[in-house]
Amino acid sequence: EAQVTQNPRYLITVTGKKLTVTCSQNMNHEYMSWYRQDPGLGLRQIYYSMNVEVTDKGDVPEGYKVSRKEKRNFPLILESPSPNQTSLYFCASSLFPTSGSTYNEQFFGPGTRLTVL
Amino acid sequence: EDKVVQSPLSLVVHEGDTVTLNCSYEVTNFRSLLWYKQEKKAPTFLFMLTSSGIEKKSGRLSSILDKKELFSILNITATQTGDSAVYLCAPNNNDMRFGAGTRLTVKP
Repeated sequence: EAQVTQNPRYLITVTGKKLTVTCSQNMNHEYMSWYRQDPGLGLRQIYYSMNVEVTDKGDVPEGYKVSRKEKRNFPLILESPSPNQTSLYFCASSLFPTSGSTYNEQFFGPGTRLTVL
Repeated sequence: EDKVVQSPLSLVVHEGDTVTLNCSYEVTNFRSLLWYKQEKKAPTFLFMLTSSGIEKKSGRLSSILDKKELFSILNITATQTGDSAVYLCAPNNNDMRFGAGTRLTVKP
């Protein structure tokens, strides 16, 4: 089954304790992205990646790192989490368009609810 | 700076009503615009619009894009309680940027 998986689904941690949220897709998508969703603010993009070893900042990259060493995986790293990073996080993937074409839909993972105390 | 504005932010209607949700955008390198429905979990895809003036339909939902005026609308006719959700629009360029969403509540 084509899907995007995230782990963990729920995480409660304390300030300053490094954590990684994994994201994996089995659709051979080039484009992957991380979002956080907070009440009243919608989905805000943290980082995105257009292919292996190619990553770029989205709207709210501060406090986060990503890596794209393999096409299928795009982990989100919080080196020193703080309470303002308490949020619902979504990973998404899609095909990347060739020149002149358009994006396909983004497929979303189930979300990771993170609480930083 | 790229921006996406959805309106209204919140809407309460009764079953059977028709609603129109708006999405205006200013983005560089625009390629297409996507609409998603989000209930209690991850967003689910509704439409992708690439050309102005061509309506896309799926059951009671339809959407259209105006690339000259930089907006899109999502219409839902004969609303049902199952349409209650947050509806998100996202213009596509390199960094896919979502609007804050419209929270639709359909009362019986």
